[in-house]
Amino acid sequence: GESVGLHLPTLSVQEGDNSIINCAYSNSASDYFIWYKQESGKGPQFIIDIRSNMDKRQGQRVTVLLNKTVKHLSLQIAATQPGDSAVYFCAERSGGYQKVTFGTGTKLQVIP
Amino acid sequence: EPEVTQTPSHQVTQMGQEVILRCVPISNHLYFYWYRQILGQKVEFLVSFYNNEISEKSEIFDDQFSVERPDGSNFTLKIRSTKLEDSAMYFCASSVSRQPTDTQYFGPGTRLTVL
Repeated sequence: GESVGLHLPTLSVQEGDNSIINCAYSNSASDYFIWYKQESGKGPQFIIDIRSNMDKRQGQRVTVLLNKTVKHLSLQIAATQPGDSAVYFCAERSGGYQKVTFGTGTKLQVIP
Repeated sequence: EPEVTQTPSHQVTQMGQEVILRCVPISNHLYFYWYRQILGQKVEFLVSFYNNEISEKSEIFDDQFSVERPDGSNFTLKIRSTKLEDSAMYFCASSVSRQPTDTQYFGPGTRLTVL
């Protein structure tokens, strides 16, 4: 079936370094992509989104890149901080459906 | 900043019992959702609700599940006869509209443990 998935289950980075979290998706009909952050004991928190007609979008310290040719999405976090430690999910919506389809998640560990 | 709230934070129940999970969506939001996350797994969509009707549901959302907006603020998920495999975190979410650009905001979740 169609799915959104992540390459790496765990990523460890040094505080101050940049982090890159990758995601592959298989649904070519996906037209909207979202990154969520989930801290322990909390619900998913919206970070940034991107439409399928874009290839890059920047937020505060975060950038999302979309490569539709290879169905790949990435989240870049600049100057990673301890507070960035969490599980990051890529997610997608398609075809006007309301449901958000989540990937499996990558755990980001920031080493002080 | 407005938040989605959920109660209780943790619910323990015996298999076969009915449970009701409660949510208070953000006040000006019109679309409401339930998702669940089995420990260590993906967050999965269950159902969306608008104008007192289910607008979309997944295969998981079978006859054991129901949703209701009993008053102007609460949104509930009922599981009629809980099974062991219903043990999960249940997240409520809400959004202003159904447009993809309108973010779905998630609550902190209710951890349901079925014994």
